[in-house]
Amino acid sequence: KAGVTQTPRYLIKTRGQQVTLSCSPISGHRSVSWYQQTPGQGLQFLFEYFSETQRNKGNFPGRFSGRQFSNSRSEMNVSTLELGDSALYLCASSPAGEPNEQFFGPGTRLTVL
Amino acid sequence: QKEVEQDPGPLSVPEGAIVSLNCTYSNSAFQYFMWYRQYSRKGPELLMYTYSSGNKEDGRFTAQVDKSSKYISLFIRDSQPSDSATYLCALSRREYGNKLVFGAGTILRVKS
Repeated sequence: KAGVTQTPRYLIKTRGQQVTLSCSPISGHRSVSWYQQTPGQGLQFLFEYFSETQRNKGNFPGRFSGRQFSNSRSEMNVSTLELGDSALYLCASSPAGEPNEQFFGPGTRLTVL
Repeated sequence: QKEVEQDPGPLSVPEGAIVSLNCTYSNSAFQYFMWYRQYSRKGPELLMYTYSSGNKEDGRFTAQVDKSSKYISLFIRDSQPSDSATYLCALSRREYGNKLVFGAGTILRVKS
């Protein structure tokens, strides 16, 4: 079974721009969660989508948004980029909506200049 | 106070040693406990998943959960240089859905 895939793997943007990251979960998985990983704050939960609905949201500003499509693929968008948004953005997929094993993708490394 | 505390290390051990990695947590409502391994420039890889107190073994890895003390551990037997990575504990509860709360991660270095 193919694992979680994320595109692009690397991205460089400038302040004020917006960015869209993509995640394809493991086949059959309906839950997709997004996390931000930085050296200072570690891994922090952004949001979770299950069956195209946002079920949980972390403590991030509204500039961070996401969506999930009917095939469970998910996108995350960050608008008006700030230097502090530079991070590794990780996507995790899980088969169900209740707490379950989650499998992470390789991440998208975003650098904001 | 953070919900999950984990010593960031680094922890350096000789090859073949038994490694003990630990996390403490403050909220007794946590019900699900996971350990992930993350190599440099890679995504976290699930090692162990448990939802009860006690021990769970998988090869060289043993996960231990003590809910009364709010303390979880991961033991690695016969450690190998290939075990050198960052180990992250992650906790969840039913009300969180699939939201995981992570520890800071412990950097492990196994020297040959």
